[in-house]
Amino acid sequence: GESVGLHLPTLSVQEGDNSIINCAYSNSASDYFIWYKQESGKGPQFIIDIRSNMDKRQGQRVTVLLNKTVKHLSLQIAATQPGDSAVYFCAEKSRDSNYQLIWGAGTKLIIKP
Amino acid sequence: EAGVAQSPRYKIIEKRQSVAFWCNPISGHATLYWYQQILGQGPKLLIQFQNNGVVDDSQLPKDRFSAERLKGVDSTLKIQPAKLEDSAVYLCASSRSGLGDSPLHFGNGTRLTVT
Repeated sequence: GESVGLHLPTLSVQEGDNSIINCAYSNSASDYFIWYKQESGKGPQFIIDIRSNMDKRQGQRVTVLLNKTVKHLSLQIAATQPGDSAVYFCAEKSRDSNYQLIWGAGTKLIIKP
Repeated sequence: EAGVAQSPRYKIIEKRQSVAFWCNPISGHATLYWYQQILGQGPKLLIQFQNNGVVDDSQLPKDRFSAERLKGVDSTLKIQPAKLEDSAVYLCASSRSGLGDSPLHFGNGTRLTVT
């Protein structure tokens, strides 16, 4: 069935460097994408979203890029800090799935001091 | 804006016992969701409410799980009787609407351990 998946289960980044977390999706009809951050013992926290009519959206220290041609989504975190350590999930919604969130498996981001 | 509130934070029960979780969504959010999350995996939708009506409960094990949102605000999720495989984190989320570009906001969940 349709799914959203992540390329890497764990990503280690030096503090201060930029992080790039990738996500592949298979439903070309998906029209809304969200990135969540989940810290240990907490629920997923909304980071940033993007609609399918956009290819880039920026927030505070984060940028989401959407490439519909290859069905790829990425989250870029600038100047990674220790507080960025978490599991990052991408999720997508589409009209043909009644706008239910379809989740990827998650990427664990580890910050090296 | 206050976030989604859930209680209790932790619960340990023996198999075949019953348990209930409570959720208070963000004020004004019409849509409320209950998710089950196994460690290391993305959340799995159990049930979605729009106000006090059920929109989707296709993945809710109805022989043992039940949920209600009687006044369209707070919600409770119950498991009776619990099984070992129900050990998980139960997350409540809310959104302004159930439509496309309406992000879900999550509570910190209830960690259930069934022994």
